Amino acid sequence: QKEVEQDPGPLSVPEGAIVSLNCTYSNSAFQYFMWYRQYSRKGPELLMYTYSSGNKEDGRFTAQVDKSSKYISLFIRDSQPSDSATYLCASGLAGKSTFGDGTTLTVKP
Amino acid sequence: GAVVSQHPSWVICKSGTSVKIECRSLDFQATTMFWYRQFPKQSLMLMATSNEGSKATYEQGVEKDKFLINHASLTLSTLTVTSAHPEDSSFYICSAPRDGQTEAFFGQGTRLTVV
Repeated sequence: QKEVEQDPGPLSVPEGAIVSLNCTYSNSAFQYFMWYRQYSRKGPELLMYTYSSGNKEDGRFTAQVDKSSKYISLFIRDSQPSDSATYLCASGLAGKSTFGDGTTLTVKP
Repeated sequence: GAVVSQHPSWVICKSGTSVKIECRSLDFQATTMFWYRQFPKQSLMLMATSNEGSKATYEQGVEKDKFLINHASLTLSTLTVTSAHPEDSSFYICSAPRDGQTEAFFGQGTRLTVV
């Protein structure tokens, strides 16, 4: 079993839709939870970072962590075509991250 | 945010030759850096942890003699793919957390093609 499992996608939504991206993790020692966005042929870009259960909001993005169920979510409100990318969840310790396989999102105008 | 610079962004080399990839933290010190490999449509797989002033720690299944890592300063780690073969063709990405912090910043990646 992978330590971080991510809903595979791909996901295609119309512009303006709310997007929900989900992951689960199995290692209860993981303390930090991240979401990265990766455009084709580019390195991942850190979107959200949290270390506790609950919600963290940044603009149109909300990261949600439920440590009791080992569940991680990223919500994107009012999705834009520029949000089209692969989204990677990651969990870990001290900078050493284990990644999900990524979900490719396409937002259609 | 913090900047991690990776060079080159792409390289084509002949089979049997060696290729060096550099990863630099531009505005912070990084005692530790991480090297990942990503195949098309797959996630990032951690190859090794690079530690400044000491030997790198390799993940299971990664050949340390093939993927040489040197972390000679607090801002620079290098990955050398020795005697490259076509199956080494991949996207190599480094990351570095600020010392004392956990979230890591990624370089832009290096696309290696071995012909």
